[in-house]
Amino acid sequence: SSELTQDPAVSVALGQTVRITCQGDSLRSYYASWYQQKPGQAPVLVIYGKNNRPSGIPDRFSGSSSGNTASLTITGAQAEDEADYYCNSRDSSGNPVFGGGTKLTVL
Amino acid sequence: QLQLQESGPGLVKPSETLSLTCTVSGGSISSSSYYWGWIRQPPGKGLEWIGSIYYSGSTYYNPSLKSRVTISVDTSKNQFSLKLSSVTAADTAVYYCARLSINATPDPWGQGTLVTVSS
Repeated sequence: SSELTQDPAVSVALGQTVRITCQGDSLRSYYASWYQQKPGQAPVLVIYGKNNRPSGIPDRFSGSSSGNTASLTITGAQAEDEADYYCNSRDSSGNPVFGGGTKLTVL
Repeated sequence: QLQLQESGPGLVKPSETLSLTCTVSGGSISSSSYYWGWIRQPPGKGLEWIGSIYYSGSTYYNPSLKSRVTISVDTSKNQFSLKLSSVTAADTAVYYCARLSINATPDPWGQGTLVTVSS
């Protein structure tokens, strides 16, 4: 299956650590990428590959993977991290597939 | 810095064809290292890959949309385009264009354009 499954919503207290997960069979073979999307804006890549951050992404964002589960961890969540987060990987044909998204609330 | 910009009508009538163009600036669409793709997001919903194209013209489509989608590339204009036929209200969405790595990672994205299907 090429589906990626995410929890619809997660919350975290300001300054605390939160993990957002993504499950799917394709993650056993391919790394996940992670996107942050704020209202009215295009998604922004925050993690790709094993655990790589594009230029300008704070180092409080990190990625990891185990088995069929990929995780995005935000260590010391800030108010500006409140957003929707999407995981992305590839299916067996090499085409993109996305998770359903997780809405992160920073309390 | 690579930038992508979508353009096209914001309103399309049911049963007609949705047409959008993505203009790439700050880099060449003829790069052998990347694909170019279209992704959409219905209001309040998640992201859906529509299809991708390589500069040579090779195309790859989401099976759920394949019968209605055509993606083409114009390397002379550094543009690629999307046509989606027989649209319904379910095709109302923000349509994004993006560069895709060989690992199917879209980055960067265009700002997106809202297309509403309504009579």
